[in-house]
Amino acid sequence: DAKTTQPPSMDCAEGRAANLPCNHSTISGNEYVYWYRQIHSQGPQYIIHGLKNNETNEMASLIITEDRKSSTLILPHATLRDTAVYYCIVRVAGFRDDKIIFGKGTRLHILP
Amino acid sequence: GAVVSQHPSWVICKSGTSVKIECRSLDFQATTMFWYRQFPKQSLMLMATSNEGSKATYEQGVEKDKFLINHASLTLSTLTVTSAHPEDSSFYICRATGQGANEQFFGPGTRLTVL
Repeated sequence: DAKTTQPPSMDCAEGRAANLPCNHSTISGNEYVYWYRQIHSQGPQYIIHGLKNNETNEMASLIITEDRKSSTLILPHATLRDTAVYYCIVRVAGFRDDKIIFGKGTRLHILP
Repeated sequence: GAVVSQHPSWVICKSGTSVKIECRSLDFQATTMFWYRQFPKQSLMLMATSNEGSKATYEQGVEKDKFLINHASLTLSTLTVTSAHPEDSSFYICRATGQGANEQFFGPGTRLTVL
């Protein structure tokens, strides 16, 4: 079973920041928070991951609470191409052979 | 960067026929391949895990005799849907992992439609 909880859907206006929440209250000490997204009829795409510090890359920022029980993915300036299903997953980083178990994710609609 | 490809990208077949889907790692050696399927409006569901040169390990509820997985080389894994039926119509996605921590990629998916 997925170890995360996400809202089923969210809307965001184009050009605004999209903030996607995720709860992972049972996360273990050696598990990282990963985010993937899946654009319609494509394979999942890696976005970002983190352990306890906030992380930023060219795609997004990841804010993890101090108790690590929840996190927020931030797309700073959402575009129509960011419309996708976003999956928050907890897993051990760098462990190549772990099974990535997907939950239901959040369907993000970017509104023009 | 590293890429994982799938072939075909889509396929339509008649009920009762078998369909083979290929997953290739293009510039790294994929020691482990994972196969997922995704029904419309649903999340990805893991079907099986295969290590190069070994038999695949199937998730509970997945019929190993119906979904044949071969991982005979470090760059190719195949999923064969035998005697396909309309309920097997789905989006099939592979994930390949290599020796490097960053060598983990999903394929673009194969849409199977069984008439």
